[in-house]
Amino acid sequence: ETGVTQSPTHLIKTRGQQVTLRCSSQSGHNTVSWYQQALGQGPQFIFQYYREEENGRGNFPPRFSGLQFPNYSSELNVNALELDDSALYLCASSLDFENTEAFFGQGTRLTVV
Amino acid sequence: ELKVEQNPLFLSMQEGKNYTIYCNYSTTSDRLYWYRQDPGKSLESLFVLLSNGAVKQEGRLMASLDTKARLSTLHITAAVHDLSATYFCAGPNTGNQFYFGTGTSLTVIP
Repeated sequence: ETGVTQSPTHLIKTRGQQVTLRCSSQSGHNTVSWYQQALGQGPQFIFQYYREEENGRGNFPPRFSGLQFPNYSSELNVNALELDDSALYLCASSLDFENTEAFFGQGTRLTVV
Repeated sequence: ELKVEQNPLFLSMQEGKNYTIYCNYSTTSDRLYWYRQDPGKSLESLFVLLSNGAVKQEGRLMASLDTKARLSTLHITAAVHDLSATYFCAGPNTGNQFYFGTGTSLTVIP
């Protein structure tokens, strides 16, 4: 158990819909990163939030957006869902954006049909 | 952008045998991470390698880092079935924004 919790664990959406995924970071951690892991692939970095501000972004289109709240929990929003968005979405929390270790949640499995 | 490559992608080995997984990365980094992932599960941190020449061991797994060669290795000694999983290495692009390799799917055969 890493202390990082994600909800929901599974989700099925229709192409074109919007989805919100949630992540509660480990106590005391102010940095949350989101990753997308397609089947059979390594996780890909989507973006990172540090103290409620975006602190870096990977190669993902603007329809992938996020928020971090004052309690450092975070949301990942995806608009206009596409079939290729089907993946395991992982969040990771760390003490800060330079700290050496990140702890991953159990993930949300998103299926777009 | 940091590029991370692992090989082999798939590894089938008999119990009791030794093998090494290799991780090459494209830009200078003094840190490298190894994770394990079981099917349908999240990532479990195995090793955090923080400097050139770092070597860490846990049970039958040993990881090392050579920052000059931009190479990390994960050595498996006397494999057992419980080690069957996918293993990822990851390098930080900036801070702790990780770029992962494609993973090595390890199957240990009795």
